[in-house]
Amino acid sequence: KNEVEQSPQNLTAQEGEFITINCSYSVGISALHWLQQHPGGGIVSLFMLSSGKKKHGRLIATINIQEKHSSLHITASHPRDSAVYICAVRDDKIIFGKGTRLHILP
Amino acid sequence: NAGVTQTPKFQVLKTGQSMTLQCAQDMNHEYMSWYRQDPGMGLRLIHYSVGAGITDQGEVPNGYNVSRSTTEDFPLRLLSAAPSQTSVYFCASSSSLGGLYTGELFFGEGSRLTVL
Repeated sequence: KNEVEQSPQNLTAQEGEFITINCSYSVGISALHWLQQHPGGGIVSLFMLSSGKKKHGRLIATINIQEKHSSLHITASHPRDSAVYICAVRDDKIIFGKGTRLHILP
Repeated sequence: NAGVTQTPKFQVLKTGQSMTLQCAQDMNHEYMSWYRQDPGMGLRLIHYSVGAGITDQGEVPNGYNVSRSTTEDFPLRLLSAAPSQTSVYFCASSSSLGGLYTGELFFGEGSRLTVL
């Protein structure tokens, strides 16, 4: 069983829709990261969470430590949000989920 | 610019050749790591380091060597390249606070390696 599971693997939505990507993990962690990778591009950090909720623009990330679950939400989605979103958890090392490929249609 | 510098961006090797992927960061980060990214597999940890002189294996270490002689540098060596090592490689670093690795992750731009 993978230690970090993301769902869905692929998601296609219309511009303006509210998007939710989920991440569940099975190990004890000190922090959880959400990352973004555009096609053919590098990887950038969106959020680092150890508890609660963070917001940056149209992006919101939440984490429930007891349930070992995190969600990334995108409000008013836009075609430029099309990318792969990756969840990563860390204790002494960092373990990645396989990513969620998001495609926003204009 | 501050950040993680990874070189080369592209490399083509023949089977059996050796090479080193370079990774340097100027943020005084203790944690540095190497990942490979393959279609459908996500990012897989090759080796990581929690400080100068300390390295450990990740999920897919076979065929790769690392060393950490300084805080800034964490090179990845392929001693005898194989076609199975064709991949995109990323270096990442992070800070720590009081021994807890709670810093933001910073990635290099990636190195695309093809082994013929």
